[in-house]
Amino acid sequence: GENVGLHLPTLSVQEGDNSIINCAYSNSASDYFIWYKQESGKGPQFIIDIRSNMDKRQGQRVTVLLNKTVKHLSLQIAATQPGDSAVYFCAENNEGSARQLTFGSGTQLTVLP
Amino acid sequence: KAGVTQTPRYLIKTRGQQVTLSCSPISGHRSVSWYQQTPGQGLQFLFEYFSETQRNKGNFPGRFSGRQFSNSRSEMNVSTLELGDSALYLCASSRHENTEAFFGQGTRLTVV
Repeated sequence: GENVGLHLPTLSVQEGDNSIINCAYSNSASDYFIWYKQESGKGPQFIIDIRSNMDKRQGQRVTVLLNKTVKHLSLQIAATQPGDSAVYFCAENNEGSARQLTFGSGTQLTVLP
Repeated sequence: KAGVTQTPRYLIKTRGQQVTLSCSPISGHRSVSWYQQTPGQGLQFLFEYFSETQRNKGNFPGRFSGRQFSNSRSEMNVSTLELGDSALYLCASSRHENTEAFFGQGTRLTVV
């Protein structure tokens, strides 16, 4: 069949507002999760990670929340800036199966001036 | 501290040719994994190496292969290139399998 592009969810926020990006993961055995930011023409950039024995982790301006019951991750970005505009991916890893990250389809974040 | 380095950054090849891509991990990192990124399929896992051994392989044909050297540098090879192999090939390194994985800038391969 025709190879169409992935339909990326999009999120537009005003500069200075908080952003929340959501991700549903697929494997209930996954126990390590990473959020990446990817700007056009660049490789994914590590933002923050969380292990399954935690439900919240905070970094600089970012917070990741993990809900294992419904297999859901979210990334919260405080005081969103124009430089935050990018595609954001969540990735899951089952630690028992070596390093194999399974990525979500990504969310395009656009920060409006 | 230097990041993950991938070479070359851009490559144009003809159908039927083969190509070798290189990845130098962050110093001290022993795990190197490879991913293919396309608009149609997103980011897909190719394979992972740790201490020169392939530990895991994704659902790609045998035309895709790789290896890792004693200094942890890794190469991936694609033989008999097809148009559909055009993609951004990304390499990620991590100290162990359950620690942060850092990506390089990728190699943009175009098959014509």
